Amino acid sequence: EAGVVQSPRYKIIEKKQPVAFWCNPISGHNTLYWYRQNLGQGPELLIRYENEEAVDDSQLPKDRFSAERLKGVDSTLKIQPAELGDSAVYLCASSGHMGGYTFGSGTRLTVV
Amino acid sequence: AQSVTQLDSQVPVFEEAPVELRCNYSSSVSVYLFWYVQYPNQGLQLLLKYLSGSTLVKGINGFEAEFNKSQTSFHLRKPSVHISDTAEYFCAACSRNGNKLVFGAGTILRVKS
Repeated sequence: EAGVVQSPRYKIIEKKQPVAFWCNPISGHNTLYWYRQNLGQGPELLIRYENEEAVDDSQLPKDRFSAERLKGVDSTLKIQPAELGDSAVYLCASSGHMGGYTFGSGTRLTVV
Repeated sequence: AQSVTQLDSQVPVFEEAPVELRCNYSSSVSVYLFWYVQYPNQGLQLLLKYLSGSTLVKGINGFEAEFNKSQTSFHLRKPSVHISDTAEYFCAACSRNGNKLVFGAGTILRVKS
C-alpha cells in the first residue's frame, strides 16, 4: 500500500512569490491534515479535512494561506504571497480511524 | 485542549546504553498517546501508540513506552540503543473525542560510539 505522497520534496522561492504543495492521502482515509513544522519544533496543525469539508482551520493564516480538497481525496495547500517566516516543513497526514495517522515525507519550503 | 511537554531537548547516550525520553501531557479529557521518530529530512514515522488496555506499549525498533495516568506521563524507553537510533523523537496526544494531534517540541537523541 502506498503511503501518504507529498510533492514537491523541496521548494525554494523568493519572498512575495506564490507556492503550492500537493498531498495524496492513503486510499480510503477520510481525514486529511496539513501540519507546519518550524525548525527545532514539533508539527502544528494548520487545517483538518473530513472528506472535502474543512472542519478545523483555526490555525490557518487565512490572509495568505488557502487549502482545498476537491472530491475528498487529494489536497493542495497554497501560500500567496510567501514571507520569509513561512520557511518550514509542511507535512500532510491522513487517518481512517482513531490512532491511524500516517504522515508523508513533507515539503521543505525555503523562502529567500 | 491538550498540551505535551518533552522535558529534554537533547539526550546524548553511548551505544548499547539504555535510554529514556520523557513526555508529560495535560488534558481535561482522556487521550490517546503516540511517539513518532523523525530522521533527517524525512517525515514522521509512528513508533508506538497507546489507545487503551495495557499501560506498557511495545513498538518498533525495540522501543517501548509506559502510560502513567497518575503522573500524566508517557515516557519512551529502549534498553540498548544503536547508532541508527540517532533521530528526533516526538511525543503527541489526541483527545478521544477529537482528531487533532498535539505534538511536543521534540527530543533529539544522539547515540555516540
